[in-house]
Amino acid sequence: EAQVTQNPRYLITVTGKKLTVTCSQNMNHEYMSWYRQDPGLGLRQIYYSMNVEVTDKGDVPEGYKVSRKEKRNFPLILESPSPNQTSLYFCASSGKRNSPLHFGNGTRLTVT
Amino acid sequence: AQSVSQHNHHVILSEAASLELGCNYSYGGTVNLFWYVQYPGQHLQLLLKYFSGDPLVKGIKGFEAEFIKSKFSFNLRKPSVQWSDTAEYFCAVYGGATNKLIFGTGTLLAVQP
Repeated sequence: EAQVTQNPRYLITVTGKKLTVTCSQNMNHEYMSWYRQDPGLGLRQIYYSMNVEVTDKGDVPEGYKVSRKEKRNFPLILESPSPNQTSLYFCASSGKRNSPLHFGNGTRLTVT
Repeated sequence: AQSVSQHNHHVILSEAASLELGCNYSYGGTVNLFWYVQYPGQHLQLLLKYFSGDPLVKGIKGFEAEFIKSKFSFNLRKPSVQWSDTAEYFCAVYGGATNKLIFGTGTLLAVQP
């Protein structure tokens, strides 16, 4: 089954404790992206990747890092999480940048 | 700056009522247009898309949308909503000078049985 898998689904952490949210897709998609969803703000892009070893900032990249060492994986790293990063995060992938996105199930992160 | 506007933030309808959700974007040129739906507690799923051709596109679950280039609009419609259509709906537009995909802020639809 074609899917984008994110883990964990829920995460509660404390300020400053490094964390990684994993994302993996099994569709051989070149394009992958991370979004955060906040009430009233819709989805905002954090980072995206056009292919292996090619990543670029989205609209709200501050406080986040990503890597794309393999085509299927695109982890999101928060080196020093802060409470303003409490949000719902979605990973997505597509065959091309303008193709419809396939979304993961989301990760609800709470930073206290 | 490029933007996508969804003017209806919260819509409440009774079952069998007709639905129209507005979506306008701010940039010209070639665009690809999408509507996504997010059911409670779930991830976003594609409802329909427009790339070219017939400006009236049909999607899943009886939804359709019309691209009106002169109005920079891509409104979503459904003739008769069901309780199961309760969800948040996002318009997204790809294109413009930056070739970015930009999402609107979403419209929360509540359908009362």
